[in-house]
Amino acid sequence: SQQGEEDPQALSIQEGENATMNCSYKTSINNLQWYRQNSGRGLVHLILIRSNEREKHSGRLRVTLDTSKKSSSLLITASRAADTASYFCATERSGTYKYIFGTGTRLKVLA
Amino acid sequence: DAGVIQSPRHEVTEMGQEVTLRCKPISGHDYLFWYRQTMMRGLELLIYFNNNVPIDDSGMPEDRFSAKMPNASFSTLKIQPSEPRDSAVYFCASTRDRISGTSEAFFGQGTRLTVV
Repeated sequence: SQQGEEDPQALSIQEGENATMNCSYKTSINNLQWYRQNSGRGLVHLILIRSNEREKHSGRLRVTLDTSKKSSSLLITASRAADTASYFCATERSGTYKYIFGTGTRLKVLA
Repeated sequence: DAGVIQSPRHEVTEMGQEVTLRCKPISGHDYLFWYRQTMMRGLELLIYFNNNVPIDDSGMPEDRFSAKMPNASFSTLKIQPSEPRDSAVYFCASTRDRISGTSEAFFGQGTRLTVV
């Protein structure tokens, strides 16, 4: 399979709570990125973390990367109903310019 | 810039017909990717181009699929003949050269293909 794995597959939380999504991958990478997809729309880039970085922040987003475990997590703090979407991690494999996407997490934030 | 533009947004065709999907990348972007998204298989990378040259087409499912990039502002993905299992949303994405910019990929809105 091309894909990495994400968990959970689906997550439902109340507005104001934090949401954590995890991503595992299989090969060495140049960087890892997170994207959001609203229903029926294209993917929108959220944040990129390079292989030599361990943590990165952008607004309410916090991403961690553990290359020894080949895993990453995305934390969305103080979630809002507008955060309802599917979230995908994508890895750029070392030695290539290929972006390989995970299976995605469907997040639902209840108002 | 208007972003990555794909056409058509929706396509319904009969099995056996030829289907052509079109993509206009963001001006100045050197890389173009074609993805297919289905519930069963998620987002699959089909092929990507660098400076209009196909670099990796290992994700193209079979010979019925072909992709071209005749110039820096246009790419096509063709399926001939189409089959019901080709029904999916096809996305085009582009990005700048890694040396000059980030690796952020910009996606089009996708073409929803239904083969009946």
